Amino acid sequence: TQLLEQSPQFLSIQEGENLTVYCNSSSVFSSLQWYRQEPGEGPVLLVTVVTGGEVKKLKRLTFQFGDARKDSSLHITAAQPGDTGLYLCAGRDYKLSFGAGTTVTVRA
Amino acid sequence: GAVVSQHPSWVICKSGTSVKIECRSLDFQATTMFWYRQFPKQSLMLMATSNEGSKATYEQGVEKDKFLINHASLTLSTLTVTSAHPEDSSFYICSAVSGTSGNYNEQFFGPGTRLTVL
Repeated sequence: TQLLEQSPQFLSIQEGENLTVYCNSSSVFSSLQWYRQEPGEGPVLLVTVVTGGEVKKLKRLTFQFGDARKDSSLHITAAQPGDTGLYLCAGRDYKLSFGAGTTVTVRA
Repeated sequence: GAVVSQHPSWVICKSGTSVKIECRSLDFQATTMFWYRQFPKQSLMLMATSNEGSKATYEQGVEKDKFLINHASLTLSTLTVTSAHPEDSSFYICSAVSGTSGNYNEQFFGPGTRLTVL
């Protein structure tokens, strides 16, 4: 059983469209991280959110941590083909637990 | 930024043989390193936590006698898959936490090692 549930599992959109990926859990985490992973490579950290209700922006990416620190969302505005990849959320208690990931494909 | 390397990047071996994978922190000292396994189209699953100078802590369901972990120095941890079988074929990824920062949110991942057991 996955501690963190991500939805959707797959997402395919046209360049210029917006997308949102969700990460939900019944557990409270001290912090939550979002990673992007390219095929055949290790995950790369995008952001860490720590405070409930926190919103962080990274260019066209907006990350939100739920008030209860159990869920998070990643929103990409005007997606580009370079945004294609596997997006993973990971919650930290005494260790880092990863969600199953969302495979995002942005078509040119 | 902090860099973690893995060697080899890919390896193919025969069933029954052992394979060693190295994980190195190149520009920082890592008191703690983690080993993950990722099957195709799936997420990363933590296998074990490796602390320098002490025995690794394995996650439930991971055989410690099959996946030998050694963290002999502050920059190197090794994972040895003993008597490998085709079901061990996977993408193995390590990560390291900087010992000086003590901030477990700063976990740096290696590029992964693709193991294929024939």
